[in-house]
Amino acid sequence: GENVEQHPSTLSVQEGDSAVIKCTYSDSASNYFPWYKQELGKGPQLIIDIRSNVGEKKDQRIAVTLNKTAKHFSLHITETQPEDSAVYFCAASKNSGAGSYQLTFGKGTKLSVIP
Amino acid sequence: DAGVIQSPRHEVTEMGQEVTLRCKPISGHDYLFWYRQTMMRGLELLIYFNNNVPIDDSGMPEDRFSAKMPNASFSTLKIQPSEPRDSAVYFCASSLWGGDEQFFGPGTRLTVL
Repeated sequence: GENVEQHPSTLSVQEGDSAVIKCTYSDSASNYFPWYKQELGKGPQLIIDIRSNVGEKKDQRIAVTLNKTAKHFSLHITETQPEDSAVYFCAASKNSGAGSYQLTFGKGTKLSVIP
Repeated sequence: DAGVIQSPRHEVTEMGQEVTLRCKPISGHDYLFWYRQTMMRGLELLIYFNNNVPIDDSGMPEDRFSAKMPNASFSTLKIQPSEPRDSAVYFCASSLWGGDEQFFGPGTRLTVL
């Protein structure tokens, strides 16, 4: 099955600096790569996603890049703010046919933005 | 819409007791997913449904776990008998279709003593 590795497990940055989180996946058939943000006591919430037919996607201060050849994708947060502090998860999935989908998550990165 | 609704939010029970977790997906969503989150294993998919039909239950750890979706607006995850190692946060999520954004509920924190 799919295996998703995520690094680093913890990340501390000064407010205003950039943060980068990296993930690798094992199944070359995976074609959907979402990123989720989880705040304390809440469920994960999608912040951005990318499909395998594009290499980069941006939404305001957040961007995701995908390298299909190397099987890795990254989350970039610019101009970090204290409210960006949370746990971030990457995930990968593919259409296995017959309406079958399965998201495999990385272990998460705890991001702390220091004011 | 109120989003995905889960109940109870917290459950404390003793080993050997039956536990039932409940989920109401977002109206109109065809897919429903049950996840378990622990520090050691992260977020794990347990089972998911498409139009109330279980599609993949390979993530269900043991026969002690069972899930049902009797209609489009309700699903249950049952553990019987419960064990201390079942202690975790259980999330329900729903999506319009399988390859789309999954909306997560607030989770149920289960503690088995």
